[in-house]
Amino acid sequence: GAGVSQSPSNKVTEKGKDVELRCDPISGHTALYWYRQSLGQGLEFLIYFQGNSAPDKSGLPSDRFSAERTGGSVSTLTIQRTQQEDSAVYLCASSATGSGTDTQYFGPGTRLTVL
Amino acid sequence: AQSVTQLDSQVPVFEEAPVELRCNYSSSVSVYLFWYVQYPNQGLQLLLKYLSGSTLVKGINGFEAEFNKSQTSFHLRKPSVHISDTAEYFCAVTSFGGGADGLTFGKGTHLIIQP
Repeated sequence: GAGVSQSPSNKVTEKGKDVELRCDPISGHTALYWYRQSLGQGLEFLIYFQGNSAPDKSGLPSDRFSAERTGGSVSTLTIQRTQQEDSAVYLCASSATGSGTDTQYFGPGTRLTVL
Repeated sequence: AQSVTQLDSQVPVFEEAPVELRCNYSSSVSVYLFWYVQYPNQGLQLLLKYLSGSTLVKGINGFEAEFNKSQTSFHLRKPSVHISDTAEYFCAVTSFGGGADGLTFGKGTHLIIQP
């Protein structure tokens, strides 16, 4: 079956612009996660969605970051007024129920470059 | 809070030799443990996970890992490596509650297979 898909695969933007990154989880998975992978910080957990419930936003790096999940499926991560330190690969993952025992399945990522 | 330490950033090994990638974790609560692999220009893929029971866990591609609670370690081993094993390997933990805590990853170990 289809895995987790993310778009775009690459995004180059200018400092100060807004960007939207999209994630399509595996069909039927209720849990969705966003991570950021950068050279300096490694892999960081950003935010978790369980179905349609409101997420805990405390892991987002700054108030320029926001995320939503529509209809318990597709998710969008938005970064406003991008800064050079936002350059990273943004990874999305989904799992069946969100239990700690679940395997998280990762998408290929979106590589964001802020000039 | 949890943390994961991967002691080696790079491990060079000759083809067909055995390898061990080290992982230690710190947590105030009980955790589940995972090893993920990231092949060049690909997403993260689960190698194996420890949930409970036998401390020796077998995964895909001939890899295995042993959970040692007293040493808070979860080292990954393979008796004979191949060129195709060249990749970045990440150790990760999550709390029993899972979900909202996401996965906490180590910095990764780059396994370099030399012919």
